[in-house]
Amino acid sequence: NAGVMQNPRHLVRRRGQEARLRCSPMKGHSHVYWYRQLPEEGLKFMVYLQKENIIDESGMPKERFSAEFPKEGPSILRIQQVVRGDSAAYFCASSSAGLPIQETQYFGPGTRLLVL
Amino acid sequence: AQSVTQPDIHITVSEGASLELRCNYSYGATPYLFWYVQSPGQGLQLLLKYFSGDTLVQGIKGFEAEFKRSQSSFNLRKPSVHWSDAAEYFCAVIQGAQKLVFGQGTRLTINP
Repeated sequence: NAGVMQNPRHLVRRRGQEARLRCSPMKGHSHVYWYRQLPEEGLKFMVYLQKENIIDESGMPKERFSAEFPKEGPSILRIQQVVRGDSAAYFCASSSAGLPIQETQYFGPGTRLLVL
Repeated sequence: AQSVTQPDIHITVSEGASLELRCNYSYGATPYLFWYVQSPGQGLQLLLKYFSGDTLVQGIKGFEAEFKRSQSSFNLRKPSVHWSDAAEYFCAVIQGAQKLVFGQGTRLTINP
């Protein structure tokens, strides 16, 4: 059973470009979460999605960031017009349906975004 | 809102020595607590979790943690560390339905 897959693992963008980060949850998981880890810091929650629905986006910056989890295909975190402060590791996690509070979140290897 | 504090940013221990990593949480009701480990350049791996019941929780790789409500703590322990335990360790608590709130992390260095 493959784990959570993220690609690309490393992404370099110049200021003003767009970054697209992809996350494929574990098989059978329908809940996806995105977290951001700035250098020398812990992970910070960004957004929680189920298929075709955004459940909680309280951690998403108000501008330039968006996320989706379509019926088919991976979840996408999109950052428009990137700035140097967006440089970070972005982690995706997934969990199965059921009692959400007790479901373990399994993390992917992360995408390390570097903005030049 | 729930919060998690890991007072130690960096800890160094000798191989074979015992280890305790501290974690304090802020939450009114019974929290759902986790410890994750992150090796350099890797994602997070779950070590153990506490939801209810026995306050001493056993995890993978020989780790255990004890929930102490009176001290609002969930410290991680291992009786004898191995060089492969060198990593970053994160304590976390569930907030709301499913949002994990992480501590700042503790970097563990192992001396040979």
